[in-house]
Amino acid sequence: GNSVTQMEGPVTLSEEAFLTINCTYTATGYPSLFWYVQYPGEGLQLLLKATKADDKGSNKGFEATYRKETTSFHLEKGSVQVSDSAVYFCALSGSGGSNYKLTFGKGTLLTVNP
Amino acid sequence: KAGVTQTPRYLIKTRGQQVTLSCSPISGHRSVSWYQQTPGQGLQFLFEYFSETQRNKGNFPGRFSGRQFSNSRSEMNVSTLELGDSALYLCASSLGQGKQETQYFGPGTRLLVL
Repeated sequence: GNSVTQMEGPVTLSEEAFLTINCTYTATGYPSLFWYVQYPGEGLQLLLKATKADDKGSNKGFEATYRKETTSFHLEKGSVQVSDSAVYFCALSGSGGSNYKLTFGKGTLLTVNP
Repeated sequence: KAGVTQTPRYLIKTRGQQVTLSCSPISGHRSVSWYQQTPGQGLQFLFEYFSETQRNKGNFPGRFSGRQFSNSRSEMNVSTLELGDSALYLCASSLGQGKQETQYFGPGTRLLVL
């Protein structure tokens, strides 16, 4: 079946530090890949997505590239802010006949200190 | 455009009771999915409805059920509540036309079973 593996957290960084959160996946075919973010007490918000190999998703300074050869979709940001503190989820859809089901990683808690 | 709304936001029930949660999708969206979020299991897919029909189902017992109305609003029901059903229940909506679509999440209903 489909699965998503994210780096274990929590991750604690100082403001303006570089961020990488690793994400790898197992799936058949050509899934779409997503990063969602969850702020305390809220639902999930889409951060970025990529729907085919070599696509780069980007939003609010965050980037991730769909690498089919390494089955990865690592999230990066060059300079984090305190307001980026949240839980980040990597997810996939569209594999094995499950077009409308998102399979999520366990989530990575990011804390950014001033 | 209004986002996905879920009611109620918080709920406290006792074991053995049943509960109904409601989700109103973004206007024009015909697909509604439900997810359960717990600290131990993370985010797990419950089911997805499109045009009043269940199109996908996750691995949950039959105590978990759902339905969708002609206006795309959806409800999920949990009967004979167990302590382990305590969770954040998230609803997501999309147009329902393909794996590349973004699912938009509501704020969730937090259920506590005592």
